[in-house]
Amino acid sequence: RKEVEQDPGPFNVPEGATVAFNCTYSNSASQSFFWYRQDCRKEPKLLMSVYSSGNEDGRFTAQLNRASQYISLLIRDSKLSDSATYLCVVAGKSTFGDGTTLTVKP
Amino acid sequence: NAGVTQTPKFQVLKTGQSMTLQCAQDMNHEYMSWYRQDPGMGLRLIHYSVGAGITDQGEVPNGYNVSRSTTEDFPLRLLSAAPSQTSVYFCASGAGASNEQFFGPGTRLTVL
Repeated sequence: RKEVEQDPGPFNVPEGATVAFNCTYSNSASQSFFWYRQDCRKEPKLLMSVYSSGNEDGRFTAQLNRASQYISLLIRDSKLSDSATYLCVVAGKSTFGDGTTLTVKP
Repeated sequence: NAGVTQTPKFQVLKTGQSMTLQCAQDMNHEYMSWYRQDPGMGLRLIHYSVGAGITDQGEVPNGYNVSRSTTEDFPLRLLSAAPSQTSVYFCASGAGASNEQFFGPGTRLTVL
């Protein structure tokens, strides 16, 4: 089993839709989690950190469920500019998921 | 601040050639790492360093060497290039392994 597994996708949604991605991790001792965004195989950039209490930044919400060992990313009111690949990261061992591709269509 | 810089941006090698990918950061980060990304896949950790003089292997270290003589620089050496090493290589740095990582723009390597 991979250490970090993401929803395979791709996700194709209309503008304005709400979409959620999940990411499961195998190491229960993991402490730090992040979501990164990657455009067209450019370098990944931090989207948001994932805290135990959850984290919200505008239209984006990240949640951590330690009991079930997964993190999630919720995007509300999707924009065309949200089209990208989203990577979850279990820090400490710098383990990336394979990414979930989102395409938002007009 | 330039952040994380990588050179070259593109490189074509023949099988068996060696080369060094350069990575430098100006954020005084202790932690630096190298990843490769193959088409349709996530990033896989090659080598990492927690400070000058300290390096360790990641998930896919075979065929690569690293050194960390200064805080700023973390070069990646391909010893004898193989077609399986065709990939995009990203260097990253952060205050620590558990902190946000800042990535360089990548080096697109093709081995013929």
